[in-house]
Amino acid sequence: GAVVSQHPSWVICKSGTSVKIECRSLDFQATTMFWYRQFPKQSLMLMATSNEGSKATYEQGVEKDKFLINHASLTLSTLTVTSAHPEDSSFYICSASPNRVNSNQPQHFGDGTRLSIL
Amino acid sequence: AQRVTQPEKLLSVFKGAPVELKCNYSYSGSPELFWYVQYSRQRLQLLLRHISRESIKGFTADLNKGETSFHLKKPFAQEEDSAMYYCALSGYNQGGKLIFGQGTELSVKP
Repeated sequence: GAVVSQHPSWVICKSGTSVKIECRSLDFQATTMFWYRQFPKQSLMLMATSNEGSKATYEQGVEKDKFLINHASLTLSTLTVTSAHPEDSSFYICSASPNRVNSNQPQHFGDGTRLSIL
Repeated sequence: AQRVTQPEKLLSVFKGAPVELKCNYSYSGSPELFWYVQYSRQRLQLLLRHISRESIKGFTADLNKGETSFHLKKPFAQEEDSAMYYCALSGYNQGGKLIFGQGTELSVKP
């Protein structure tokens, strides 16, 4: 089945550091990937849609200069949290689905990345 | 506005009891509805989607457009069903973008 790999699974770093999180589709190509954020005991909140070869589309209230997204290939999207601060500490999850024409394919999720900013 | 509402944060039942996890949605159009499940220390995974109209692990969900609901049901709960359940909505031609409900934690006691 379709597998999405996310790396790293856990990051602890100092305030002011930039952190890059990778999301890979291992056995399929994905033109579009999604990045979500999840606070403890809360739901997943869509942050942005990552589009291969073009700019990401950000949801309202998400700072694009804070959360840089790059989707350079059909199997890799990266989320960089720039100059991270404690309030950016959260669980970040990506998802992707195989490219299909005229079809709304279900999403496959990565394991998530727990980011802790000290 | 697009919205998914799961009114119960926690649902606790005994093994063998029926289970119903509620989900209501708001969407101006014909959405696609999903149930995702997250077992302890595992990734989110698809449980079922309304267009498939199938039963997975004994769970079923019927889309009721009149009541804008997509409740998840199982006649006899098992301990291994204990998990977080998320109802999600995707609009037509939105490329798979999902709007999630708040999630319901199901606890099945022996």
